[in-house]
Amino acid sequence: AQSVSQHNHHVILSEAASLELGCNYSYGGTVNLFWYVQYPGQHLQLLLKYFSGDPLVKGIKGFEAEFIKSKFSFNLRKPSVQWSDTAEYFCAVNARYGNKLVFGAGTILRVKS
Amino acid sequence: DTGVSQNPRHKITKRGQNVTFRCDPISEHNRLYWYRQTLGQGPEFLTYFQNEAQLEKSRLLSDRFSAERPKGSFSTLEIQRTEQGDSAMYLCASTGDTAGETQYFGPGTRLLVL
Repeated sequence: AQSVSQHNHHVILSEAASLELGCNYSYGGTVNLFWYVQYPGQHLQLLLKYFSGDPLVKGIKGFEAEFIKSKFSFNLRKPSVQWSDTAEYFCAVNARYGNKLVFGAGTILRVKS
Repeated sequence: DTGVSQNPRHKITKRGQNVTFRCDPISEHNRLYWYRQTLGQGPEFLTYFQNEAQLEKSRLLSDRFSAERPKGSFSTLEIQRTEQGDSAMYLCASTGDTAGETQYFGPGTRLLVL
């Protein structure tokens, strides 16, 4: 069975600090990888995704993630966070031709202005 | 707005009552998913439809839960004889023809069972 582990449940950063959120997954086959974000009071939105090709993917609002197959990891990064990045971030995986998404428990990011 | 919509957004009910939620997917999407999210956890898969066919159900979906998508458009999720443990956010998502594609989520229905 697939599983996703997010390393930190709560992260507090000051504005302009760099961000890296860890995500590791467990699955033996080919996967699609996603990061979703949920801003306060809003619904889940796609931040970025990896299906194939360049393992470094860029998403909206300056976020990027790197797929490292040997480490089963898909860490999310942003060089300089803003107060508006305060949100909950979810890593998710599905099998390449599968249907259901398996989510991590989420990381709550608070950016202090 | 052409996103996924869900109704109601909030539902408070007493234990033992039945509740029904509705999801309207993005119009051209033929795959529809239900997830449940409890506090401090990520969404957990409940069930999936391709058009009107329910193709996969999670073990989380007890016999008190039933989902339908009668004409391959909107879907309903019914919970019978609600229990306090059913309190959660119920999320709907939709996607297009290809398996593994990005799923687009609705705002969810927050259920509180008293």
